[in-house]
Amino acid sequence: AQSVTQLDSQVPVFEEAPVELRCNYSSSVSVYLFWYVQYPNQGLQLLLKYLSGSTLVKGINGFEAEFNKSQTSFHLRKPSVHISDTAEYFCAVTEQGFQKLVFGTGTRLLVSP
Amino acid sequence: DAGVIQSPRHEVTEMGQEVTLRCKPISGHDYLFWYRQTMMRGLELLIYFNNNVPIDDSGMPEDRFSAKMPNASFSTLKIQPSEPRDSAVYFCASSFWGARGKGEAFFGQGTRLTVV
Repeated sequence: AQSVTQLDSQVPVFEEAPVELRCNYSSSVSVYLFWYVQYPNQGLQLLLKYLSGSTLVKGINGFEAEFNKSQTSFHLRKPSVHISDTAEYFCAVTEQGFQKLVFGTGTRLLVSP
Repeated sequence: DAGVIQSPRHEVTEMGQEVTLRCKPISGHDYLFWYRQTMMRGLELLIYFNNNVPIDDSGMPEDRFSAKMPNASFSTLKIQPSEPRDSAVYFCASSFWGARGKGEAFFGQGTRLTVV
């Protein structure tokens, strides 16, 4: 069964600084990978997804992520964060051929002025 | 499309009462998921359906929880009897597997349940 690990529960960063949120997964088969963002009192919104092809995927709000099969990672990056990026970020994985979407524990990104 | 619609947005109930949460998935989606989110346990998958049929309910915490999907546009999650430890935000999500999509889930706004 697949699993997702987000090692950082909280990442504080200053506005306009770069940020990387880490995600590692475990699976014995090929996977699809997703990053979601959750703003306070909201549902989860899809940021970006990796299905196949280019390992560097771009999403909304200037975020991007890189799929690294050898390291089983899918880290999320943004070159310059804004105050409005303060939110909880979830990495998720589903195995090809299965439809069960499994989430990591989330990383809270705190952007301060 | 209006997205995944959940009702109610907030529910406060007394311990022992029956609680029913409702979900309307996005039209055309063939998968529906129920998740529970708490500070302690994060986002847990409770159950999911494919074409209205329950596929995996291994995440349902105990027999007090039940879920149904009588048709493609409606699902319910019921807790009977409710307990304070059931207090959480419950999310419904739907997805589509096929040429147009590969299972990215679209979430509702959630139902915040408080059992006192």
